Amino acid sequence: GPKVLQIPSHQIIDMGQMVTLNCDPVSNHLYFYWYKQILGQQMEFLVNFYNGKVMEKSKLFKDQFSVERPDGSYFTLKIQPTALEDSAVYFCASRGNTGQLYFGEGSKLTVL
Amino acid sequence: DAKTTQPDSMESTEGETVHLPCSHATISGNEYIYWYRQVPLQGPEYVTHGLQQNTTNSMAFLAIASDRKSSTLILPHVSLRDAAVYHCILRVASSGGSNYKLTFGKGTLLTVTP
Repeated sequence: GPKVLQIPSHQIIDMGQMVTLNCDPVSNHLYFYWYKQILGQQMEFLVNFYNGKVMEKSKLFKDQFSVERPDGSYFTLKIQPTALEDSAVYFCASRGNTGQLYFGEGSKLTVL
Repeated sequence: DAKTTQPDSMESTEGETVHLPCSHATISGNEYIYWYRQVPLQGPEYVTHGLQQNTTNSMAFLAIASDRKSSTLILPHVSLRDAAVYHCILRVASSGGSNYKLTFGKGTLLTVTP
């Protein structure tokens, strides 16, 4: 089936540094999402994005977070600066007009 | 967000047919019922969805109660690969027309033994 690719699969950084997580969504999809999952806990919605704009964001989407998709390339999640509590697996998802979200395999972020 | 209630866990044996229940007593008339499953260390995978009528696909059969206040995901002849956390989610419309998000709960952990 359709694939969402996420790069990197795992990143280790020091607290305070910047990190960018990249998502290559399903071709022709127009709606994009980021979710956060801490090990052993449930998936938490962060943000969704459409037509170059953030449509909705949760309380977890702190001021240090930003998303963009410049010129139809990767859909990115940037965290600057990172904090210890940002350690988690971040899942990207995309959606076309069918309503079904397709998820990537996740990017594991470890903040030291 | 409209809520769903699922058992924390269920156990099964390979080859059995498994019935995973979901209660959604406060569902709105225009809310879809979605099922996703997630294997540890992987992203959620779409299983099926429905609005009012029962639906079936290669993965599962979704039985929706006539009053829509509950549904059951039926997995025929489960294998070890079906072991996962199964999430029953109501599709909530966000602001902006067709834009929406999915809100995940804890789901039901299905274990399958040989």
